[in-house]
Amino acid sequence: DAKTTQPNSMESNEEEPVHLPCNHSTISGTDYIHWYRQLPSQGPEYVIHGLTSNVNNRMASLAIAEDRKSSTLILHRATLRDAAVYYCILSSVPAEVQKLVFGQGTRLTINP
Amino acid sequence: GAVVSQHPSWVICKSGTSVKIECRSLDFQATTMFWYRQFPKQSLMLMATSNEGSKATYEQGVEKDKFLINHASLTLSTLTVTSAHPEDSSFYICSASLTEQTLYGYTFGSGTRLTVV
Repeated sequence: DAKTTQPNSMESNEEEPVHLPCNHSTISGTDYIHWYRQLPSQGPEYVIHGLTSNVNNRMASLAIAEDRKSSTLILHRATLRDAAVYYCILSSVPAEVQKLVFGQGTRLTINP
Repeated sequence: GAVVSQHPSWVICKSGTSVKIECRSLDFQATTMFWYRQFPKQSLMLMATSNEGSKATYEQGVEKDKFLINHASLTLSTLTVTSAHPEDSSFYICSASLTEQTLYGYTFGSGTRLTVV
């Protein structure tokens, strides 16, 4: 499985934007970039995914570098409920369902 | 959206007993389910991949005779921790997906906190 590198922790203030980086220098051409987050004592939840182009949804935006060796998850206006561990995961386009392998993720703290 | 229900949400059992955890896909048929374990302050560790109607595939280092997985239907997978010991105390999480759903996210259960005393 291609590996990702994320900072162990980040801190931001409520109502400010948050940029969560992820490095994936060994990404292959068929790897999608997925982001999940895990709130305390809960299972992970899907946030966003992309291949080459930047992506937006109601939760966040995903900015993907032109060489695809890094990406950034953007929370446009953080709330206290966004405090969670954020995981950046690579998964290739499957012929069958593929497993997701979680790294250590980034623990995001939001200050009121 | 797709919902995965995991039960129980927490369980306390005595050392040496067995515990069964259920994972159900409520509004879709899950051809594949995954079981993870998470220790405090650590990331999720994949234990096994469960395919409906066939034997589970276990990750290296996971004892298949201790962690029994049954995926008898397209909506239910179970994980049984046999002869549980305190070191098996952990947060167990299941995940499910359809092949067609893969690109649109895997759905996770809310987790089961197992405490073995």
